[in-house]
Amino acid sequence: AQSVTQLDSHVSVSEGTPVLLRCNYSSSYSPSLFWYVQHPNKGLQLLLKYTSAATLVKGINGFEAEFKKSETSFHLTKPSAHMSDAAEYFCVVSDLRGYQKVTFGTGTKLQVIP
Amino acid sequence: DVKVTQSSRYLVKRTGEKVFLECVQDMDHENMFWYRQDPGLGLRLIYFSYDVKMKEKGDIPEGYSVSREKKERFSLILESASTNQTSMYLCASSSRQGKNSGTGELFFGEGSRLTVL
Repeated sequence: AQSVTQLDSHVSVSEGTPVLLRCNYSSSYSPSLFWYVQHPNKGLQLLLKYTSAATLVKGINGFEAEFKKSETSFHLTKPSAHMSDAAEYFCVVSDLRGYQKVTFGTGTKLQVIP
Repeated sequence: DVKVTQSSRYLVKRTGEKVFLECVQDMDHENMFWYRQDPGLGLRLIYFSYDVKMKEKGDIPEGYSVSREKKERFSLILESASTNQTSMYLCASSSRQGKNSGTGELFFGEGSRLTVL
């Protein structure tokens, strides 16, 4: 069984300050982990992915995430928020064994204050 | 540029109507998925397909059916629409693990927002 918990449903930051979106996962296997972003009325776009290579993963638009197996965490960070980062972010765990099983977190809405 | 295309961005239907949501991908992916997205609930899997004519129930299949007659096309069918099926529907596809270095990344369409009156 696998699950994903996004610890904050809403996060608000000021423009130019750091962003931290938290994600914890549970999996009985070594999963692949992803962060997706969704802007209003749009589909989901991949930000970054962890697939058992380097534990610090860099993505698009200055985002990065660190896989910490001991903490079962995959938190998303960005050093300096931009207004265009305002969106909803989803943490995803994927078990690629057999037929792909994908589990989404419930999402974190990021608000960026000017 | 890789693409997943959902035929309708916005639909308004009446209770009891039959609704078809179409999804086409141009990446030769084996796996295709239908999700519904509701505020506070994230994305919930309705059905997925790992090959032509194959389908598997997801977490919330009740009230839905699917069709995959061709590899590139995956259709979601609401046999008799109800108001509680008002939602955003997202289609996604992915490559099978091991093929073309498939990593499980999902490629999403823009979504179809369905309102059932």
